[in-house]
Amino acid sequence: EAGVAQSPRYKIIEKRQSVAFWCNPISGHATLYWYQQILGQGPKLLIQFQNNGVVDDSQLPKDRFSAERLKGVDSTLKIQPAKLEDSAVYLCASSLVPQGGRNGELFFGEGSRLTVL
Amino acid sequence: DQQVKQNSPSLSVQEGRISILNCDYTNSMFDYFLWYKKYPAEGPTFLISISSIKDKNEDGRFTVFLNKSAKHLSLHIVPSQPGDSAVYFCAASGMDSSYKLIFGSGTRLLVRP
Repeated sequence: EAGVAQSPRYKIIEKRQSVAFWCNPISGHATLYWYQQILGQGPKLLIQFQNNGVVDDSQLPKDRFSAERLKGVDSTLKIQPAKLEDSAVYLCASSLVPQGGRNGELFFGEGSRLTVL
Repeated sequence: DQQVKQNSPSLSVQEGRISILNCDYTNSMFDYFLWYKKYPAEGPTFLISISSIKDKNEDGRFTVFLNKSAKHLSLHIVPSQPGDSAVYFCAASGMDSSYKLIFGSGTRLLVRP
């Protein structure tokens, strides 16, 4: 079974530029998550989708971050304009059930490492 | 406000000995606790979990202990192997936040041959 796919793996941009990350979840997983992991910290949830609807985006900086999952399968996370503090690994995860945080039912991709100069 | 804390950023143990990783939490509404393991350039992978109705869960070399009164959990790895060298994240979730995972900052484990 294929895992969660993410691209690009690495991206370096100048501040104020824009960047987009793509995620394809495990087949059949209706719930998709984007996490931000800053160096030395644990992953922090940015946004959770159930199919193509947003369940939780309370920690998404909406002035610069946006995410969509138009057809309820793959998803794109965009940052525009980027700031230095956005340097982090952006992890996509998916789960079969909406409450994937209960018992290890949440599967992560390898992440997209962003460096903002 | 860190709801899940891992106060030891790193731990080094000899191969074959026990590794003990600790985690503290503040939210008494958490009812699931999980450990994830992360190798460099890979995403976190689920290792073991425990629900709040238990105080111990074992899976092979890995055992998680939960002390609800102290709001503390620990992961024991016995015996430790060099392949266990990774960053270990403690995470917690509860019904009050729709089981959204809250992660600690991680502990980097090095198992020396």
